[in-house]
Parts: sequence; structure tokens; C-alpha cells
Amino acid sequence: LAKTTQPISMDSYEGQEVNITCSHNNIATNDYITWYQQFPSQGPRFIIQGYKTKVTNEVASLFIPADRKSSTLSLPRVSLSDTAVYYCLVLYRYSSASKIIFGSGTRLSIRP
Amino acid sequence: NAGVTQTPKFQVLKTGQSMTLQCAQDMNHNSMYWYRQDPGMGLRLIYYSASEGTTDKGEVPNGYNVSRLNKREFSLRLESAAPSQTSVYFCASSEAVGSSQETQYFGPGTRLLVL
Repeated sequence: LAKTTQPISMDSYEGQEVNITCSHNNIATNDYITWYQQFPSQGPRFIIQGYKTKVTNEVASLFIPADRKSSTLSLPRVSLSDTAVYYCLVLYRYSSASKIIFGSGTRLSIRP
Repeated sequence: NAGVTQTPKFQVLKTGQSMTLQCAQDMNHNSMYWYRQDPGMGLRLIYYSASEGTTDKGEVPNGYNVSRLNKREFSLRLESAAPSQTSVYFCASSEAVGSSQETQYFGPGTRLLVL
């Protein structure tokens, strides 16, 4: 069963750039990679989505190499409020059905 | 526009009791999902509904049943609760399952404790 793999936890300091990498070896040709953010006692919230190369929005960038077997979420100049769990999501397809698999998540802690 | 709402927010059950978790979305989405999240763990898909009238199993369906009542509502039922079902349950919706660009919108969660 294909799945995504992320580091369990990461620490950083305010003002630094943080990069979180997700491995997804069995990604299909037409699948997109999506990242979510989750604060304690809340549901996950969409951050960014991409297919290849680089995508940037107002909160993050997503880098995807040519082989698409991994992706890196980049958070520029983090603040204490970026402390959360970050999930990588790839849509895997099995026969006529789709299986939706969240990664185990990366717990990001930002220190002053 | 409330997005995805879930009731109840918190529930305590005794082993063997049954209950139904309710979920509703007002975004006119076709697809809806139920996940569970155990302490310190990621989300695992229980069931999903690609469209009104259809439901399919996810990764961990045993012990649960679902009903897609209409386009807005998707309920999750525990027929005989077990302590192993103690978890936080999240409902989500998206425009369509099977679309690679789908974005899922999550509700605030229901915390369930089974004694």
C-alpha cells in the first residue's frame, strides 16, 4: 500500500525559513500534492497544492522535483503562530476507486 | 457560510452503546469524508462518499457505518462502541473525489471517549 513519509518533528526559530519534505514514491502521473496545516483542537486547513516544479502563494512555497517522488513545503520567515502539524497528501488511485492517504504529519515547533 | 459543521463536539459512551455523528456542509460539494485521528497520529480515512447516494470504504472502516442522507449531510454511526474507537472524528468535504486538484475542507471535529 503506497503511502507518504515525512519527518516526525522539526524545530526552528522565529524568522527562519523552514523546509519540510514529503516522500511519495508511488505517485501517479496525474496526481497533485497537497499540504495541510493543523492546529491543536482544530481540523486540518489547506495550505498549498502543486503538480510539478514550484508553486507559491501568500503563505508558502512548494517545490516538486522532476521525478515527483518527493515534495518540499517551504515556510519563509516563520513565526510562533506557525507552530502546528503539517500533513502531505497525495491522491492514490486503485482500480476504479480512489484511496486518500494522509502522511503521518510533521510536528513543527517554532521558538522565540 | 458555515463551511463544514459537526455535532456533537464531545461525547462519552459506554462500551456497547451506539451513536451517530452528524456532519453537514453548505458549500454544495459533491464529496464527503469521515476521518479519525488518534492522539499524536495522522488522519485515517474511515469512509467517503463520492457523490450523493454512494459510499465507499476507506482505510479503517470496521466498526462503522455511514449514510449519505442528501448532498449536504453525511453521518457516521457506531453500532456498538468499543474503547478502541476513542478518537477525534473529522468530517470533510470537497468538490469531487477522484479529482487530483480537490481541496478538502474540514469540520472542527468530534471528540469521542468510549469507556
